[in-house]
Amino acid sequence: DQQVKQNSPSLSVQEGRISILNCDYTNSMFDYFLWYKKYPAEGPTFLISISSIKDKNEDGRFTVFLNKSAKHLSLHIVPSQPGDSAVYFCAASGSKAAGNKLTFGGGTRVLVKP
Amino acid sequence: DAGVIQSPRHEVTEMGQEVTLRCKPISGHNSLFWYRQTMMRGLELLIYFNNNVPIDDSGMPEDRFSAKMPNASFSTLKIQPSEPRDSAVYFCASSFRQGRSEKLFFGSGTQLSVL
Repeated sequence: DQQVKQNSPSLSVQEGRISILNCDYTNSMFDYFLWYKKYPAEGPTFLISISSIKDKNEDGRFTVFLNKSAKHLSLHIVPSQPGDSAVYFCAASGSKAAGNKLTFGGGTRVLVKP
Repeated sequence: DAGVIQSPRHEVTEMGQEVTLRCKPISGHNSLFWYRQTMMRGLELLIYFNNNVPIDDSGMPEDRFSAKMPNASFSTLKIQPSEPRDSAVYFCASSFRQGRSEKLFFGSGTQLSVL
């Protein structure tokens, strides 16, 4: 039972354009959401997070949007750069859901073309 | 800080052999996590520790898998006996639990191949 889903396994975008990555979750106990970025042969690194009390969080070129009623969040990268080419994982946790552990989605591979 | 250190980076073994993966978390972190990454299941949590105590091992696939954290600076994940379906990248991550921040710091992973 996948509680966090990233339905698009891959995404290709032109440099300078917007990348939009989507994530859906099923567990209503989740109240904290994160995005991680992973390069080949490296571990995932934290990118940006959002608490359920907000619907938007912005950090430079990266913005995460949360729609609690739809149990959906998205990551926008504007403008996309070739260095953004990586696998992006959505993750969620909930204070009442087994001790704050993070549950990850399957990942979306992003390719930014020069 | 050197970050989370995992060893070995690559492990190739034969079916039936014992495999031990090692992890040194970031100094001062009080939570440690073992994840496994596969094409089919993505990143799945196997087990995590708080203050060296196992909190949730519900993700451990079966009794062939075991994990220990004898002290705050070292953890092992053991597979005995190993099987080809155990082939995956195993990540260790650590964090300092403060409030609701769940920012994990991952090691570079161990690529395990069981032949």
